[in-house]
Parts: sequence; C-alpha cells; structure tokens
Amino acid sequence: AQKITQTQPGMFVQEKEAVTLDCTYDTSDPSYGLFWYKQPSSGEMIFLIYQGSYDQQNATEGRYSLNFQKARKSANLVISASQLGDSAMYFCAMREGWSGGGADGLTFGKGTHLIIQP
Amino acid sequence: GAVVSQHPSRVICKSGTSVKIECRSLDFQATTMFWYRQFPKQSLMLMATSNEGSKATYEQGVEKDKFLINHASLTLSTLTVTSAHPEDSSFYICSAKTGAETQYFGPGTRLLVL
Repeated sequence: AQKITQTQPGMFVQEKEAVTLDCTYDTSDPSYGLFWYKQPSSGEMIFLIYQGSYDQQNATEGRYSLNFQKARKSANLVISASQLGDSAMYFCAMREGWSGGGADGLTFGKGTHLIIQP
Repeated sequence: GAVVSQHPSRVICKSGTSVKIECRSLDFQATTMFWYRQFPKQSLMLMATSNEGSKATYEQGVEKDKFLINHASLTLSTLTVTSAHPEDSSFYICSAKTGAETQYFGPGTRLLVL
C-alpha cells in the first residue's frame, strides 16, 4: 500500500483563486511529520510547510496552509490567492517516527502538477 | 531558510566510469544528510541516510557497493556512483536536516550516462 497518496496528477486553476491539493497518508506510527514541497521545472525542492502529528493547530506559512485531519489521515495543502509563479509540481511527504530517531528520510507522494492560468 | 548546495549540477559520463556528487550545507551543520533519486516525471525515492562519522544506511534495493556515500564532515556528504551504467541516469538530490524538523534540499544533480 502506498504511504502517501496524491490523487490529482494535474490541476488547472485560474489566477487569484484558492487551490487545494489533496494528500492522504498511511502509517501506524503515532509520531510522524508531514511536509509539502514545491518543485519548479528547474528541479529544486522548495520547502513549503510542515505539520507534526501532535500539533494541535493546522500549520500556516504565508499563503500556504495545511488542512490536517488526523482521523482521516489527510493533509491537504491550501494555497490562497494563487499566482502564476505557483505553477509547479507539488509533493506531499511523510517522515515516520520521532525526528532524530534515525529514520528521518521522507516518503514522497507521486505529486500534483499545478498550472495557474492567467 | 538553510542553504544546501550540490556539485556538479549536471554531469555526462561514459558507461563504466565513476561519478562523485557533493552535497554541502552552507550555513548550518548537518549531522544527517539524505540522498534521493528522481526518475523523469516520477517522485523522489530515498536512497540512503548519511550520518556524519558513521556508515550510511541504505534503503532496501539500493546497492551500497554501487552508491558509495561518505559523510566526512558536518557540512559535506558525497555520493559516488561507481561503474555507472545508462540505467543510473537520473536526477540525484540531497537534503540536509537541521536540528529542527525540516529537511532542506539541494538543487540536484542531473546525471546522464552514455
């Protein structure tokens, strides 16, 4: 079974609209971390936002927010007021276990290709 | 945010040769670095975890004798692809972890083996 599932291979969104990128995860570990990264065509991976499994509140970073629904094992990324520069691949990733516990490597989903249209 | 560099950014080599890729954390010390591989239009796959001063931990299916990892200092990890073959052509990207949760990624290295 996939540990990270991103069900939207591609999305077209009008500029200035809000965007929700879906991510569900699968783990039996009570401690885990969820990440979103943006990968433009240049290939670099840009960190966007992080949510820990024990965090009580949803994470926010500027225009990015993470809709964390623990019971549903869902960690959707919301981008408010989308911009043309938001066009890129977006990856959801998970770290299982405690940070620093020796297994901090991330498992990535297949990604969503987001295209913002003017 | 923390800055991670990789060198070279692109490399083309002949089949059978070895290629070394460097990953450096420029403004922080990283006790742990990670190496990922990404094939075209696919996701990143973790290859190995590199710990400073100790042997790397490889993921299942990754040949440790083919992908040599050395983490000699708190700011440098190297990945050497030995006896490279065309199927090793890929985008190799490293990340480094600060004391906090976040992993910061390098810009990646595109390897083409002819």
